[in-house]
Amino acid sequence: GQQVMQIPQYQHVQEGEDFTTYCNSSTTLSNIQWYKQRPGGHPVFLIQLVKSGEVKKQKRLTFQFGEAKKNSSLHITATQTTDVGTYFCAHRLNYQLIWGAGTKLIIKP
Amino acid sequence: EPEVTQTPSHQVTQMGQEVILRCVPISNHLYFYWYRQILGQKVEFLVSFYNNEISEKSEIFDDQFSVERPDGSNFTLKIRSTKLEDSAMYFCASILDGHEQYFGPGTRLTVT
Repeated sequence: GQQVMQIPQYQHVQEGEDFTTYCNSSTTLSNIQWYKQRPGGHPVFLIQLVKSGEVKKQKRLTFQFGEAKKNSSLHITATQTTDVGTYFCAHRLNYQLIWGAGTKLIIKP
Repeated sequence: EPEVTQTPSHQVTQMGQEVILRCVPISNHLYFYWYRQILGQKVEFLVSFYNNEISEKSEIFDDQFSVERPDGSNFTLKIRSTKLEDSAMYFCASILDGHEQYFGPGTRLTVT
């Protein structure tokens, strides 16, 4: 079945450093969604990308969808403690979401 | 702002017992979902429900699982005979149309 691979599993950064997570698929994706899950919380929808080469920004977050629609990335500039959590990509296929494994953002003390 | 609610927040049950997890989706939403997340792992799709029937289900959603929308507001997930490996966080989600899924806070199921 269709899978979405996400790396890295963890990323430790100093507050103020940047953070990036990547999603890849062996097949073309019609869409990619991004969710954030705070520790102990539930997934919260961030954005959906559908167009080849699409780039969308939400404040310090930049989302990209690759030209071939097989990869996507989320980049956070100048991380803050409020960014802590796990970021998941997910592909909406028919009535279900196929999830990546998530990247946990950890801010070093 | 409307939100999805789930009860209970934590359910402890013995292996072999039946459990019912309850969800109240956002009132005008049309599509309903159940997901599970084993601690520290990724979110896994279980089932989607639309127009009073299952629209899609995963391999995880075997004969031990069932869903129901008994009264037009609640959306329930029943596990008939729980196993240790059913221990997980179970999230309900709903959408009106389009693409943004709204998740409930989850029910932590512990099977002992």
